Amino acid sequence: AQSVTQLGSHVSVSEGALVLLRCNYSSSVPPYLFWYVQYPNQGLQLLLKYTSAATLVKGINGFEAEFKKSETSFHLTKPSAHMSDAAEYFCAVSAGFYTGGFKTIFGAGTRLFVKA
Amino acid sequence: KAGVTQTPRYLIKTRGQQVTLSCSPISGHRSVSWYQQTPGQGLQFLFEYFSETQRNKGNFPGRFSGRQFSNSRSEMNVSTLELGDSALYLCASSFPTRSGTDTQYFGPGTRLTVL
Repeated sequence: AQSVTQLGSHVSVSEGALVLLRCNYSSSVPPYLFWYVQYPNQGLQLLLKYTSAATLVKGINGFEAEFKKSETSFHLTKPSAHMSDAAEYFCAVSAGFYTGGFKTIFGAGTRLFVKA
Repeated sequence: KAGVTQTPRYLIKTRGQQVTLSCSPISGHRSVSWYQQTPGQGLQFLFEYFSETQRNKGNFPGRFSGRQFSNSRSEMNVSTLELGDSALYLCASSFPTRSGTDTQYFGPGTRLTVL
């Protein structure tokens, strides 16, 4: 079985400050891990994904995440927050098409607020 | 290349009615998945289709059904609508690869309101 826990339903940072969104997962098979962003009234946009090629994954818009198997974590970071980063962020785990299918499990989401 | 399209974008129905939502995947993508998003339950997996076959199904009642056509377009149907079915329904498509670079691309969603 797979599950995802996002710590903190709301995170507030100042513009220019470090963004850290926490995600812990559990999976009985090697996981595919994802971070998605959702802006109001829009679908999900992929920020980055981990597929075992590298533990430090770089995504779009300056975001990156590090896969730590020992901690079962996949935290999302960005060195300097921008006002346009204000959105809801979802961590997700999937078994992958050939190892269980795309029954992706999402975390509850973290809403990021960026203060001027 | 055009993204995932979903129609209609907004729907208003009354309790007891049925509704059909449509999803057109990215050209060449043969895997389509559906998700329901609500404020209370978050994002929940509904179904996954590949080559017209349902591969996986989430924990939803039988009122929720879906299908995929030979051109990979997919529809989902909800019968006997209940107030709790009000949600954003998201469709995602993918081109599965054995290298593990599977990525699901999401459409903008269909906002269903049940009155």
